[in-house]
Amino acid sequence: DIQMTQSPSSLSASVGDRVTITCRASQSIGGYLNWYQQKPGKAPTLLIFTTSSLRSGVPSRFSGSRSGTDFTLTISSLQPEDFATYYCQQTYSSVGSTFGQGTRVEIK
Amino acid sequence: QAQLVQSGPELKRPGASVKVSCRASGYIFTNYGVSWVRQAPGQGLEWMGWISGYNFETNYAQKFQGRVTMTTDISTETAYMELRSLRPDDTAVYYCARDPITILGVVPPGGFDPWGQGTLVTVSA
Repeated sequence: DIQMTQSPSSLSASVGDRVTITCRASQSIGGYLNWYQQKPGKAPTLLIFTTSSLRSGVPSRFSGSRSGTDFTLTISSLQPEDFATYYCQQTYSSVGSTFGQGTRVEIK
Repeated sequence: QAQLVQSGPELKRPGASVKVSCRASGYIFTNYGVSWVRQAPGQGLEWMGWISGYNFETNYAQKFQGRVTMTTDISTETAYMELRSLRPDDTAVYYCARDPITILGVVPPGGFDPWGQGTLVTVSA
C-alpha cells in the first residue's frame, strides 16, 4: 500500500501568516494528490485536486505544488476561517486511496 | 448542486451488522462512483472502499475485505455500505463521498466532492 506521510502533525500560526503543509508519498503517485479541509464536527471538504487545481469556490490563498513524491499545500495569508485540520489523499493506486495523518492548524 | 444525504446514527452490539445509506441528488449518479471513509473519534480519515455508480464494480481496502459490502440502487440513486461482525473499535463516523472514478484503474482528475454529512456508528455492549 502507498503510505502518505504528512507533516507537521500540528502547527500554531497567526492570522496573516504563510502556512505550508507537506505530504510525502512512499512511492510515485504522479500528480494524483488531493487536499481536504475539515472543521470540528463537520465532513471534510475538497480544497485542491490533482496536485494544484483549485476547487471552484475555494479562495486563491490556497495553492498546491509538487516536487517528485513531495506535495505541498500553502496558505498564503492565514484567515480566521482557515483554522482546521488538513488532509492529503492519494488516488493513484488501483489498490485504493490513502490519506495522510492530518495537520491541525491552530491559532497562536 | 450535488448532495449526499446519509442515514441516521446507529447503536450496535459487538458481532452485529450495520448498513448505512447515502442518497445522492443533483448529479447523474451513473457518471460517478461512491467512496466510503470512516473516522474514529479524534482520529484521521480511513478509506474503506469504493463502488462504481456505472457498472457496480467494487474495490475494498484490504483491511475490510470479507467484512464489508458496498452496493447501489440506481433507481433511488442510493449507495449502501454494510459492515459485519462489528467490534468496539469500529465505532466511528462513516462518510460517503462522490468519487470521480467510475471504472477501476481509470482515474479522472478530481477528488472526493461532495461528502455526506456523516453517520455515527457506535459499537458497545
